[in-house]
Amino acid sequence: SQTIHQWPATLVQPVGSPLSLECTVEGTSNPNLYWYRQAAGRGLQLLFYSVGIGQISSEVPQNLSASRPQDRQFILSSKKLLLSDSGFYLCAWTIAGVRETQYFGPGTRLLVL
Amino acid sequence: TQLLEQSPQFLSIQEGENLTVYCNSSSVFSSLQWYRQEPGEGPVLLVTVVTGGEVKKLKRLTFQFGDARKDSSLHITAAQPGDTGLYLCAGSYNNNDMRFGAGTRLTVKP
Repeated sequence: SQTIHQWPATLVQPVGSPLSLECTVEGTSNPNLYWYRQAAGRGLQLLFYSVGIGQISSEVPQNLSASRPQDRQFILSSKKLLLSDSGFYLCAWTIAGVRETQYFGPGTRLLVL
Repeated sequence: TQLLEQSPQFLSIQEGENLTVYCNSSSVFSSLQWYRQEPGEGPVLLVTVVTGGEVKKLKRLTFQFGDARKDSSLHITAAQPGDTGLYLCAGSYNNNDMRFGAGTRLTVKP
């Protein structure tokens, strides 16, 4: 069966510090991978998606970047965090070529102070 | 730009009551998904509907897709405290775009 992991689960970082959130998927090959941010009381905002190693599409301009160094690894980064980067970050995967039916990880709660 | 709205935003009911939440779009969906999310966790897929007029049942949950494929509803019968959570709809469009609604936060009081 497929599983998706995210870490850390919770992170408190000062403004201006770097960020690295990791997502890994097990039990499937060549998945599409997604990073979302969920602000309190709001829906999921798609940040990045990837259809393969080294292939990253950005949905919105922002302070964040993403990388996919391996088939089942997706990393969300920032060089300098802003207060507005606080939120709940979710990683998801889908079968290649199928954007519906997304399977989500447990999320990372980021608080920037 | 496709817009996807969910209503109500918040709903608090007593155990045993029935409820319906709605998901509406300004554009036609190619398919629609409903997810439930508990605090501090990722959303979990409940159902996917693809055909206009389609009705799917999952125990006490009934999902309906509008004939014109621009709206959907989720009806819960005899709600239980375990139904508490954030219910999200997500719509896929023919241009391969996919949008999530802001969700309906349901609280079922024992």
